[in-house]
Amino acid sequence: DQQVKQNSPSLSVQEGRISILNCDYTNSMFDYFLWYKKYPAEGPTFLISISSIKDKNEDGRFTVFLNKSAKHLSLHIVPSQPGDSAVYFCAASGTGTASKLTFGTGTRLQVTL
Amino acid sequence: SQTIHQWPATLVQPVGSPLSLECTVEGTSNPNLYWYRQAAGRGLQLLFYSVGIGQISSEVPQNLSASRPQDRQFILSSKKLLLSDSGFYLCAWSRTGGYGYTFGSGTRLTVV
Repeated sequence: DQQVKQNSPSLSVQEGRISILNCDYTNSMFDYFLWYKKYPAEGPTFLISISSIKDKNEDGRFTVFLNKSAKHLSLHIVPSQPGDSAVYFCAASGTGTASKLTFGTGTRLQVTL
Repeated sequence: SQTIHQWPATLVQPVGSPLSLECTVEGTSNPNLYWYRQAAGRGLQLLFYSVGIGQISSEVPQNLSASRPQDRQFILSSKKLLLSDSGFYLCAWSRTGGYGYTFGSGTRLTVV
């Protein structure tokens, strides 16, 4: 049962344009959401997060939007840069032991010149 | 500052051979520790997590085991590797009660 879904395995965006990566979840007990960025042969690195009490969090070029009623979140990157080309994982956490994160399957973003 | 070390970076092992991957965390105490695997074309699958020394929880039945002999050491093992054990293995830590992980740099395991 995939509780966190990223339905787009890949996305190609031109440099300077907006990249929008989407994520859906099914577990209503999730109360914290994160985005990680992963380059090949490296561990994922934390990008941005949002608590369920908010609907938007912004950090520089990165903004995460949360729609709790739709159980949907999205990551916006504006403007996109070639260095943003990576795999992006959405993750969700609920309260409980070990604060386990449930990850989506990832979206590979390619920013073209 | 906290750092996480994971080794080796790459490993090629024959089917049926044993496995031992090690992960250590520095600069913190009593971390939550995790082992994840990313199989080819797949997402990040949680294999094991630990909230303390000797406390291991398994998320999925598999050919692997984990141990936590010391507070900041987490080991992933197998007695006999299968071809299906190939993948990219990631260790991670988080603070007790905290959100979000810090990942190690990963181990690329190829079973041949």
